[in-house]
Amino acid sequence: GQNIDQPTEMTATEGAIVQINCTYQTSGFNGLFWYQQHAGEAPTFLSYNVLDGLEEKGRFSSFLSRSKGYSYLLLKELQMKDSASYLCASSDSNYQLIWGAGTKLIIKP
Amino acid sequence: IAGITQAPTSQILAAGRRMTLRCTQDMRHNAMYWYRQDLGLGLRLIHYSNTAGTTGKGEVPDGYSVSRANTDDFPLTLASAVPSQTSVYFCASSEGGHNEQFFGPGTRLTVL
Repeated sequence: GQNIDQPTEMTATEGAIVQINCTYQTSGFNGLFWYQQHAGEAPTFLSYNVLDGLEEKGRFSSFLSRSKGYSYLLLKELQMKDSASYLCASSDSNYQLIWGAGTKLIIKP
Repeated sequence: IAGITQAPTSQILAAGRRMTLRCTQDMRHNAMYWYRQDLGLGLRLIHYSNTAGTTGKGEVPDGYSVSRANTDDFPLTLASAVPSQTSVYFCASSEGGHNEQFFGPGTRLTVL
């Protein structure tokens, strides 16, 4: 079957680092996406990984291990505006996205 | 228009009524998608279109239909709305393949 798991909610402190994990089981895996979604808004693209390893984009980094069916999103120097839900999605053999339920990240001062 | 737009922003609908949600993109993307988002669940694909003139069923297509007469527009129709179709509906587009999807602002639909 196809499945995506990520924690429901996480809390972190402003200025700190947080890692949001995602595990997946996807037939014909074609890559892993991370999106950010602020409350009441549309998801916006953060990152895409198809090869093993770490991709860094400013304060955000994303990691993929295909053999383990595992990814994480790393957010550094947390800011209050990073309070949002973070959605993990895997791409299947038809390039359709299978979405996790999202991780709500709460940032405290 | 810049990007992808949806209309209406929100709607309250009586059960049994017919409703069309509109989606238009100006990025000349080949692929378009309709998702619903419910609390505690991930985005679920309703229907998709890989190119103008073709459509396909997603994970939860029952009760919904789509058409893709041209590249820009991808309307979603609820033939006879039911309360379980209460949700936030997002339209998205992409160049296809492994490219990122761009999302519209969403339509919040309540069926009573």
